[in-house]
Amino acid sequence: DAGVIQSPRHEVTEMGQEVTLRCKPISGHDYLFWYRQTMMRGLELLIYFNNNVPIDDSGMPEDRFSAKMPNASFSTLKIQPSEPRDSAVYFCASSLVAGGYNEQFFGPGTRLTVL
Amino acid sequence: AQSVAQPEDQVNVAEGNPLTVKCTYSVSGNPYLFWYVQYPNRGLQFLLKYITGDNLVKGSYGFEAEFNKSQTSFHLKKPSALVSDSALYFCAVREAGGGADGLTFGKGTHLIIQP
Repeated sequence: DAGVIQSPRHEVTEMGQEVTLRCKPISGHDYLFWYRQTMMRGLELLIYFNNNVPIDDSGMPEDRFSAKMPNASFSTLKIQPSEPRDSAVYFCASSLVAGGYNEQFFGPGTRLTVL
Repeated sequence: AQSVAQPEDQVNVAEGNPLTVKCTYSVSGNPYLFWYVQYPNRGLQFLLKYITGDNLVKGSYGFEAEFNKSQTSFHLKKPSALVSDSALYFCAVREAGGGADGLTFGKGTHLIIQP
């Protein structure tokens, strides 16, 4: 298996622009998670899906952030409009459904820089 | 609410010496505990987990961790450190049977193995 795939790996944009991050989970995994990593705040869970349905989006920082999962093999995280404080590494992870003890498999991340 | 504390930002160990990376947790019920490693510009990689049973858990790359319920700790250990073990290590927790499926991560500990 190719593992969790994220694109782009790096994104540089200007404040006010729309940014879309993409994720393809491991085939057969029913859970998909979006995390954000910064030096100041560490790893934060933004939102997660179960069987393509958003379950908990309480970590989404504000309305500028939105996430979708139109099918089992694709998810997007969108920031509109972007701000410099959104600069971070965004990780997507997936896991199996069978119980909460399953480990999560992380993608390589997207490093976002908002100028 | 669940939380994780990694009290050391950085741990320095000479190659060949034993290493310990500390982690304490807080959950309302029983914990599922995980250790992940992150190499520069890479996503997190799963090392090991504690679900139930034997308090000593063995994982990838010769790492092991000991679950101590009375001290609410899950320290990561390795008998003989390698320079290639140098990385950022994260401890994570999820409450067993809890409604939340997302992991709560610690801030991370930089492990530096000196030749």
